[in-house]
Amino acid sequence: GQQLNQSPQSMFIQEGEDVSMNCTSSSIFNTWLWYKQDPGEGPVLLIALYKAGELTSNGRLTAQFGITRKDSFLNISASIPSDVGIYFCAGRPISGGSNYKLTFGKGTLLTVNP
Amino acid sequence: GAGVSQSPRYKVAKRGQDVALRCDPISGHVSLFWYQQALGQGPEFLTYFQNEAQLDKSGLPSDRFFAERPEGSVSTLKIQRTQQEDSAVYLCASSLGLISVQPQHFGDGTRLSIL
Repeated sequence: GQQLNQSPQSMFIQEGEDVSMNCTSSSIFNTWLWYKQDPGEGPVLLIALYKAGELTSNGRLTAQFGITRKDSFLNISASIPSDVGIYFCAGRPISGGSNYKLTFGKGTLLTVNP
Repeated sequence: GAGVSQSPRYKVAKRGQDVALRCDPISGHVSLFWYQQALGQGPEFLTYFQNEAQLDKSGLPSDRFFAERPEGSVSTLKIQRTQQEDSAVYLCASSLGLISVQPQHFGDGTRLSIL
């Protein structure tokens, strides 16, 4: 099945630092989504990307859909304590007739030290 | 409510018991999805409904898992004869229409523990 490699697995940073995480797939995706999940809650959509090369921002967050359509990255600038949580990439494959189905990475655990 | 609502939030059952998990999607959302999230992992697809039709159940782990959405709104995921490996968080998500690119909005999940 589809595989998504998300890295890094975890990050421990100081408040105010910038953060970068990325996701790569073994096949071509037509959609990339970035979610944040806090303990005991469901994933919350941060950014959605639909076109290769697309660069989209949401406040301090910026995400890009890779040109190869096999990767995406998420940057968080000037991190704050409430950025703590698990960040997941998710994507939809371009083929197979089941492009409603999201495949998730294993997540990046972000810890921000005030 | 404004978001996807799931109940119960926590469920503890003994091995062999049957359980039923409920999902109330965002009003008007046509598409509904169930995912299973093991500890330390990302969610994994279980099944997909478009209105009341179950169009894809390829992710259901075994025939002990059954999902329904009889009136095209509320959905129930049922697990029969539960096993310890069924312990996980079960997430429900919904999206507005039939277009696959529309984002999925998740509930807070049901944390299932099988003793």
